[in-house]
Amino acid sequence: TQLLKQSPQFLSIQEGENLTVYCNSSSVFSSLQWYRQEPGEGPVLLVTVVTGGEVKKLKRLTFQFGDARKDSSLHITAAQTGDTGLYLCAGYISGSARQLTFGSGTQLTVLP
Amino acid sequence: ETGVTQSPTHLIKTRGQQVTLRCSSQSGHNTVSWYQQALGQGPQFIFQYYREEENGRGNFPPRFSGLQFPNYSSELNVNALELDDSALYLCASSQAQGSVNEQFFGPGTRLTVL
Repeated sequence: TQLLKQSPQFLSIQEGENLTVYCNSSSVFSSLQWYRQEPGEGPVLLVTVVTGGEVKKLKRLTFQFGDARKDSSLHITAAQTGDTGLYLCAGYISGSARQLTFGSGTQLTVLP
Repeated sequence: ETGVTQSPTHLIKTRGQQVTLRCSSQSGHNTVSWYQQALGQGPQFIFQYYREEENGRGNFPPRFSGLQFPNYSSELNVNALELDDSALYLCASSQAQGSVNEQFFGPGTRLTVL
């Protein structure tokens, strides 16, 4: 059973387009993180959100944590080819500070 | 500052064999976590070591075991390998245990079980 469900699983868009990736769960998370992973490398942390309703911006990336702390979204504005990669959400379920639970990932391909 | 390193990069084993994977944590980090990432999936938490003790474990059988050494480097051992153990094994280190501490991942070891 996947505690964190990501959608879509695959996304292929043209450079300059906008996109949103979703991460949903029936469990409450004390914090939620977004990572980006490229082939042959480990995941790299992009952002951590902690407070329900929190919105964080990182240049063209906007991250939102749901009010109930059960879901999150990642929005990319004007995608670039360098944004191509596997985007993973991950979180610590409330009461479990050691086990980081990952979603299944969204493979993003940005075409020139 | 040296990041997290893992060895070997790739490994091929046959069913029933045993394997040891190694991880050197980032300087100043005392906590190491291991993850299994099957093809097309997100990483799954195997276990975490803090100051040489296992202090958290995911849903993996006892044939997955580990060690952490006084210099905080770590090993993952898998006995009686099965075909489904084929995956990318990731190691991550952090300054301390707990969700507030960012985990830094190594590049992984690609294990293939034939």
